[in-house]
Amino acid sequence: KAGVTQTPRYLIKTRGQQVTLSCSPISGHRSVSWYQQTPGQGLQFLFEYFSETQRNKGNFPGRFSGRQFSNSRSEMNVSTLELGDSALYLCASSWGTDKSETQYFGPGTRLLVL
Amino acid sequence: SQQGEEDPQALSIQEGENATMNCSYKTSINNLQWYRQNSGRGLVHLILIRSNEREKHSGRLRVTLDTSKKSSSLLITASRAADTASYFCATDSRWDTGNQFYFGTGTSLTVIP
Repeated sequence: KAGVTQTPRYLIKTRGQQVTLSCSPISGHRSVSWYQQTPGQGLQFLFEYFSETQRNKGNFPGRFSGRQFSNSRSEMNVSTLELGDSALYLCASSWGTDKSETQYFGPGTRLLVL
Repeated sequence: SQQGEEDPQALSIQEGENATMNCSYKTSINNLQWYRQNSGRGLVHLILIRSNEREKHSGRLRVTLDTSKKSSSLLITASRAADTASYFCATDSRWDTGNQFYFGTGTSLTVIP
């Protein structure tokens, strides 16, 4: 089985722009979560989607949004980019929503905001 | 913040030695998981331990969990250069309805050949 894929892998944007990141989960997985990783804050939860519905959202401003499609692929969007949004954005997928399920992470998208 | 902490922040050992890293967390949990991350890449799942378990083994990995102290430890035996990576613990929260994880700050392990 192919793993979780994320596109693009690297991205450079300037302040004020917006960006869309994509995540394709493992085939058959219906739950997708997003995390932001920075040296200062570590790994922080952004949001979780299951069957096209957002189940949970972390403590991030409204500039961060996401969605999930019927094929379980997910996108996250960040509008009005700030320098502090520079980070590694990780997506994880699991089959369902059981907390004991393993979440499989993608390689991440590294975003640099100038 | 419900983010946990890991100790030590960095660890350097010789190949063949054992490496122990500790994780403390803040809330009541259902499960605790350990992940490995190589050089800012994606996270690789290592092992999951449930709140009603005290110890679990997987190959060269041994994980313990003490829910009364809200702490866990990861032991890597007979370390190899390929074990060089950052290690994170991740907990869920019994009180969350969703499936989010709270990650520790990570331990950076260097295994010297």
